[in-house]
Amino acid sequence: GEDVEQSLFLSVREGDSSVINCTYTDSSSTYLYWYKQEPGAGLQLLTYIFSNMDMKQDQRLTVLLNKKDKHLSLRIADTQTGDSAIYFCAERGTDKLIFGTGTRLQVFP
Amino acid sequence: GAGVSQSPSNKVTEKGKDVELRCDPISGHTALYWYRQSLGQGLEFLIYFQGNSAPDKSGLPSDRFSAERTGGSVSTLTIQRTQQEDSAVYLCASSLVGEGTGHTEAFFGQGTRLTVV
Repeated sequence: GEDVEQSLFLSVREGDSSVINCTYTDSSSTYLYWYKQEPGAGLQLLTYIFSNMDMKQDQRLTVLLNKKDKHLSLRIADTQTGDSAIYFCAERGTDKLIFGTGTRLQVFP
Repeated sequence: GAGVSQSPSNKVTEKGKDVELRCDPISGHTALYWYRQSLGQGLEFLIYFQGNSAPDKSGLPSDRFSAERTGGSVSTLTIQRTQQEDSAVYLCASSLVGEGTGHTEAFFGQGTRLTVV
């Protein structure tokens, strides 16, 4: 079945890069997503990547996809305190979205 | 409306009572999802509606959980005989495209925080 896994916590110093990793199982996934959930708020789409791409860059965000290993990562450059949130990866195969467990990113000064 | 609306935002209920949670998706969105987020847990998929197709109920944790989507718009998630382990935030999301190969952005509501005492 479909399963998406992430590490639960990541702590980084302000100004450093953050790398959040995700593994998924559905090889038919067509799109993979990163969502952000700030404290007390709903989820918002950060970025996404089509499965035939290896990398996508969007300002401070870089998404890397290793389709062979079913591994997705999100790199945040120059991490700021405002980046503190829970980050969810999600895969979409033929229909529904399946989310990972979420990684809580804590940024300290 | 401008976004996905869920009501109530908070619900406290006694163990054994039934509850109904409502989701108003973005107008025109054919796909609607329900997820559950428990403290310290990720997003647990519950049920998925896409247009007129039979819903995907594979994530519902027990037969106490059911959901309807009337007229392809508003959805209601019903939990019968609530238990303390049902306490969680219930999130609803909607999107334009549910099937096929197009990119789909799911827009989430703020959630209903359910507390069973």
